[in-house]
Amino acid sequence: NAGVTQTPKFRILKIGQSMTLQCAQDMNHNYMYWYRQDPGMGLKLIYYSVGAGITDKGEVPNGYNVSRSTTEDFPLRLELAAPSQTSVYFCASRVRIQETQYFGPGTRLLVL
Amino acid sequence: EDQVTQSPEALRLQEGESSSLNCSYTVSGLRGLFWYRQDPGKGPEFLFTLYSAGEEKEKERLKATLTKKESFLHITAPKPEDSATYLCAVQGPDQGGSEKLVFGKGTKLTVNP
Repeated sequence: NAGVTQTPKFRILKIGQSMTLQCAQDMNHNYMYWYRQDPGMGLKLIYYSVGAGITDKGEVPNGYNVSRSTTEDFPLRLELAAPSQTSVYFCASRVRIQETQYFGPGTRLLVL
Repeated sequence: EDQVTQSPEALRLQEGESSSLNCSYTVSGLRGLFWYRQDPGKGPEFLFTLYSAGEEKEKERLKATLTKKESFLHITAPKPEDSATYLCAVQGPDQGGSEKLVFGKGTKLTVNP
């Protein structure tokens, strides 16, 4: 199993541009999550999904959108990039019956 | 509001010098407390899950313990490869399907040879 994979690893965006951060898992996990990690801060939950077709907001959802059309994939969309979205983004997943989340390698995003 | 505080922010040890990292938390109805290791430029790597006070788990040189207010990550005879940032997180009660893992800011551990 590859576990949780994320693409791209690094991206530079200009203010106002859009992009999609990709996340996939091959562990048949029901739950998937998107976090952002800013320097010196704890990870903050952006959005999560408990299954295909079901998504919900986390702690910091403004400026982001998600969709979950399959069990495997959970893309995060940035519509109008802002400097405040410069961060490292992590995707995570877990099975329904266990609380432990497993993380991907992250996408580093720089908005200039 | 659920809170997690980790201390110290940074810790430097000599190889073989045992120590402990602290994670203090406030949450009403703990569903789980998690320890992760994070290397620079990498995603958090799962270490332990603890569910109830008194529980302990071990893995190689690491041992995690849990009380009703805090958790400790004990590192015995550390090696340079144990250098990393250690993250603590708590999962509160399931409130209407809300999912929220609250993370601390982490403790950066450096082990010198």
